[in-house]
Amino acid sequence: DAGVTQSPTHLIKTRGQQVTLRCSPKSGHDTVSWYQQALGQGPQFIFQYYEEEERQRGNFPDRFSGHQFPNYSSELNVNALLLGDSALYLCASSEGLEGEQYFGPGTRLTVT
Amino acid sequence: AQSVAQPEDQVNVAEGNPLTVKCTYSVSGNPYLFWYVQYPNRGLQFLLKYITGDNLVKGSYGFEAEFNKSQTSFHLKKPSALVSDSALYFCAVRDPRGGGYNKLIFGAGTRLAVHP
Repeated sequence: DAGVTQSPTHLIKTRGQQVTLRCSPKSGHDTVSWYQQALGQGPQFIFQYYEEEERQRGNFPDRFSGHQFPNYSSELNVNALLLGDSALYLCASSEGLEGEQYFGPGTRLTVT
Repeated sequence: AQSVAQPEDQVNVAEGNPLTVKCTYSVSGNPYLFWYVQYPNRGLQFLLKYITGDNLVKGSYGFEAEFNKSQTSFHLKKPSALVSDSALYFCAVRDPRGGGYNKLIFGAGTRLAVHP
């Protein structure tokens, strides 16, 4: 049974560019949450998707957007990249909105 | 505002000795509390959680945590540390009144170093 998978593993982008990160939830899970973990900090909640809709959003600008597909997989898009967007982006899936969250290995984004 | 504090950036302990990683929280009502561990270049792995019931919660890999409502603390403990326990540990809280949404608020993390 595959756990939460994320792609790509690493990514290097230039300021001003746009990036898309992908997440496949654990089998049987229908809810996906995204977190940003800056170096030396704990993860910060970006948003959560359930039934293909954004259900809750953290304190992140509109440059951060997402999507959930009918197969429950999800994408995180970041526009107009800033140096400060460099971080490990973690995806977590759960069964329903209140289920226990299982995290993927993350995507390391470096903005130069 | 909901928050989690991990007062120690790093905890050093000798192998075989007991370990404690501290966590305090600030949230209205009865919180859901979690501990996660992160190894280098890996995502977060769930260790244990407290929702209700017994204040001593047992989790994975021999870890346990003690919930103390009066001190708003949820310290992680292990009776005998292993070198392989060396990792980054995160305490997290979820407000059960958050409309049913599963937003976790994490502390800054504590690096545990277990020396042979």
